[in-house]
Formats: sequence, C-alpha cells, structure tokens
Amino acid sequence: DTAVSQTPKYLVTQMGNDKSIKCEQNLGHDTMYWYKQDSKKFLKIMFSYNNKELIINETVPNRFSPKSPDKAHLNLHINSLELGDSAVYFCASRLTSGHYNEQFFGPGTRLTVL
Amino acid sequence: KNQVEQSPQSLIILEGKNCTLQCNYTVSPFSNLRWYKQDTGRGPVSLTIMTFSENTKSNGRYTATLDADTKQSSLHITASQLSDSASYICVVSAQAGTALIFGKGTTLSVSS
Repeated sequence: DTAVSQTPKYLVTQMGNDKSIKCEQNLGHDTMYWYKQDSKKFLKIMFSYNNKELIINETVPNRFSPKSPDKAHLNLHINSLELGDSAVYFCASRLTSGHYNEQFFGPGTRLTVL
Repeated sequence: KNQVEQSPQSLIILEGKNCTLQCNYTVSPFSNLRWYKQDTGRGPVSLTIMTFSENTKSNGRYTATLDADTKQSSLHITASQLSDSASYICVVSAQAGTALIFGKGTTLSVSS
C-alpha cells in the first residue's frame, strides 16, 4: 500500500562499483524526483522527470543517470561510486495539476560507499 | 538567490512544553510554503501548506504562520510529545511547477 516505494532501503558497496536504486509510485503522479540528503540532513534535488522526460537536472556528476521506463518508475543508476556519494537518496512524486505542488516522498535509500 | 533559512538548527525541550521554529526565505516569486516533518530513517511528510493569501494553518498540535510581507514563517508545536522528535523542514515553492527550495531543517528532541 506504500504510495512511494524505494529499493533497496540500505545499500553498502565498494568504491568504484556501479549500483542502481529503484523507485515506484502508485499514486498516478506524472512527475518524479530524486533527492540527495547528506550527513547534515540537507535535501538537495538531483533530477526531475515529467511524463518520462527529464525536466530538471541540477549540477550532478554524469556518473548519475536517471532512467524512467514509465510514469510510475524512476530509477537511479550510479557508475564508479565514490566515497562522497554516501548519503540517503529520496525519491518523490507529484501530480502536475495537483494543488500546491505537493510532493510525496519515499522512505529513502541509505547508500554507504566504503 | 532563492534561499530558505531555518532557526534554530537544533532544539531540546521537555515533553508537554510548547516550541516555535522559524523560517525566513528570499524566494521570489513566491507560490507556497510548507512544513515537513522527517522522522529518523524516513522520508519527509507534509504537515502544512500555505499560499500567499494564507497567514495561518493548523494540523492538530502544529500551527504554521506565514507573513508574506516579511517573508517569514513559523511552526508552533503545542504540548509536545516524544513522537514530535524529528527534523522539521521548511520548503518554499517559487512558482507552481518549479523545484522546491529546502531549508536545512531544525532538529527537535523532546525528552521526558
């Protein structure tokens, strides 16, 4: 029944590896986001997809590549992981025509790069 | 530059007490402001949302105020409970459809 779900919840990996995080929403929303929350708890937007098209791409290394196979899914693939990539990654979604630009967040994926 | 500043950075209060968290923003043009609560290990959950014309909104023991002239907002928590321990994040939307601008949050600890 979870509205926005992410897998995995925890991810521990070695530097240099490639990993993916998956996100799914069952709210019928047409816009999805990836955020990074660092150790200081600051949430920073990384990507935004609307109807499977990229509309926001903040200054993020090109090692990060979002992929949206359909409106309900937005996955994040990370190549050549670095220590600084360790953070909690949140997926969020919203309905473009909805009130107040309300975004709903997933539970987060804690990525630890060793 | 669009920014959202929150204070204090952290706060410790006794159970049952009231507290007020502050948010100042320089976002323009302004669309709406919301307060999120983020429990440890979870994603943020929206508490209140206010547009330019709204100056107060309540959600149970949480009451948010907005002064669009001074670009300030506050979140008042009444009769705090242990479960109120969390980070409270002020988020401003520049205009409908654009990215949200997040504050760095206030970490509230309620102790018994």
